[in-house]
Amino acid sequence: NAGVTQTPKFQVLKTGQSMTLQCAQDMNHNSMYWYRQDPGMGLRLIYYSASEGTTDKGEVPNGYNVSRLNKREFSLRLESAAPSQTSVYFCASRALHSNQPQHFGDGTRLSIL
Amino acid sequence: GQQLNQSPQSMFIQEGEDVSMNCTSSSIFNTWLWYKQDPGEGPVLLIALYKAGELTSNGRLTAQFGITRKDSFLNISASIPSDVGIYFCAGAHNQFYFGTGTSLTVIP
Repeated sequence: NAGVTQTPKFQVLKTGQSMTLQCAQDMNHNSMYWYRQDPGMGLRLIYYSASEGTTDKGEVPNGYNVSRLNKREFSLRLESAAPSQTSVYFCASRALHSNQPQHFGDGTRLSIL
Repeated sequence: GQQLNQSPQSMFIQEGEDVSMNCTSSSIFNTWLWYKQDPGEGPVLLIALYKAGELTSNGRLTAQFGITRKDSFLNISASIPSDVGIYFCAGAHNQFYFGTGTSLTVIP
């Protein structure tokens, strides 16, 4: 049981390049989330998908787009990467029931030069 | 966005000592969660709390859901080197909000 799988694990981009981060979960969870983690700032929500077919903005959505491809997969796209988007990105999923805990992937470490 | 105040920011303790950390919020939550993050990995759930006043243990870890529903505490007893990592609290009321983490270093 892999849980939440993120690819790639590491990536270096140049400013202005585009990139899609992939996330897949095998727990049959309805909700999926993308966070970024920066030093001293904890986890900040970028976008989430409460269920298949829906997506909503979180706290820091600017510069990002998402696609809920199917129930398993939720991708995060940077159309034109900026140095301020250098961060560690985490995908999470959880079951439908209210306030069930989120389960996290191991993260994608993204550096933008 | 919602702010969770987590303290302390960092702790350096001797192996065998007990550890206490807490989270406070200006808002009421229905759920409090505690996660641990090891270097290079994602947060892993330690304890979930769903009722005000609830006290739950997971091995040497004990967490409590504050009576006011605005705070939560995590205690680790008899710390060991593998307890090293960053501990995050999260409060939930429709959405999840995370604290900024407590970095724990255990000195053998």
